[in-house]
Amino acid sequence: EAQVTQNPRYLITVTGKKLTVTCSQNMNHEYMSWYRQDPGLGLRQIYYSMNVEVTDKGDVPEGYKVSRKEKRNFPLILESPSPNQTSLYFCASSLGAGRTYEQYFGPGTRLTVT
Amino acid sequence: GQQVMQIPQYQHVQEGEDFTTYCNSSTTLSNIQWYKQRPGGHPVFLIQLVKSGEVKKQKRLTFQFGEAKKNSSLHITATQTTDVGTYFCLSGTYKYIFGTGTRLKVLA
Repeated sequence: EAQVTQNPRYLITVTGKKLTVTCSQNMNHEYMSWYRQDPGLGLRQIYYSMNVEVTDKGDVPEGYKVSRKEKRNFPLILESPSPNQTSLYFCASSLGAGRTYEQYFGPGTRLTVT
Repeated sequence: GQQVMQIPQYQHVQEGEDFTTYCNSSTTLSNIQWYKQRPGGHPVFLIQLVKSGEVKKQKRLTFQFGEAKKNSSLHITATQTTDVGTYFCLSGTYKYIFGTGTRLKVLA
């Protein structure tokens, strides 16, 4: 089954404790992206990757890191999480980057930073 | 930076009534995509529009892209309870901007 998976689905952590949210897709997609969703603000792009070893900032990259060492995986790293990073996070992938490609979203990771 | 405003933020309708959500941009959009997110779920792709004035239909859903490519709309005819969810527009080529979403509630 073609899908985007994220782990963990739920996470409660404390300020400053490094964490990684994994994202994996099995569709051989070139493009992957991370978003956060907050009430009243909608979805905002954190980072994206056009292909292996090619990443770039979205609209809200502060406090996050990413890497793309393999085509299928695109982990999101929070080196020192803070309460304002409490949010619902979605990973997405698409065949390529461009105006004609639909994005496939993972199930989401709900993160709470206390 | 580029922003896409979406209205209304919320809409409650009686089952069988029509529903419309609008996305508006101050700058020309290269494309527009629409997604639906069920409560507790993740966004799911509905359609994409790329041409000026384009109109596409999917059963009870009608999507339009404005002539100036600065606005778009999603219209649902005769809503059903299965239409409940939040509808988002999205624009971009690799760096994407989402509309803030319209949350639709359908009352049976």
